[in-house]
Amino acid sequence: GDSVTQMEGPVTLSEEAFLTINCTYTATGYPSLFWYVQYPGEGLQLLLKATKADDKGSNKGFEATYRKETTSFHLEKGSVQVSDSAVYFCALTLLQGGSEKLVFGKGTKLTVNP
Amino acid sequence: GAVVSQHPSWVICKSGTSVKIECRSLDFQATTMFWYRQFPKQSLMLMATSNEGSKATYEQGVEKDKFLINHASLTLSTLTVTSAHPEDSSFYICSASGSGYEQYFGPGTRLTVT
Repeated sequence: GDSVTQMEGPVTLSEEAFLTINCTYTATGYPSLFWYVQYPGEGLQLLLKATKADDKGSNKGFEATYRKETTSFHLEKGSVQVSDSAVYFCALTLLQGGSEKLVFGKGTKLTVNP
Repeated sequence: GAVVSQHPSWVICKSGTSVKIECRSLDFQATTMFWYRQFPKQSLMLMATSNEGSKATYEQGVEKDKFLINHASLTLSTLTVTSAHPEDSSFYICSASGSGYEQYFGPGTRLTVT
């Protein structure tokens, strides 16, 4: 079935370091791909998305490119901040029963130290 | 915009009792609401999808008689955990979508069954 695999955490970085969180997927058809972020004590928020191959999603300095050939959607940021500390979830959507169903990876906890 | 709230944020109940969790879309009409369960260090797992005014569609393995979902209005869905047991202790998250497919997530409800 359709699934998402993302790198296991936790990931600990110093401020201004480069971040990569790997995400690969298995899907029939052509899913849309997402990164969600969950800050401590808050609900999931959509960080960025890409709906077709070679699309690049970007937001708040984060980027991810939809790579169909490698079935990947790796999240990157050139210089992380303490405020980026959160749990990051990679996800894809399936159209099922007239609504889009999200399939999530297990999440990667990021801690950024000053 | 697109704010989803959940109430309560945390609840403790005794084994054998029932507990109700509310999910509200505060500034949009939610034609579809989703209920997820999140275990520690695990992904979000979709429990059920509900459309306003119709019965919820449960995912495989989710007991519909144990997890009662009601979506009586375009701004409110409720999840009732009936005859709760310690193994039902978890973090329950709802999301809502309106005219588009994007899901907006609530902050979650921590349920502890003693």
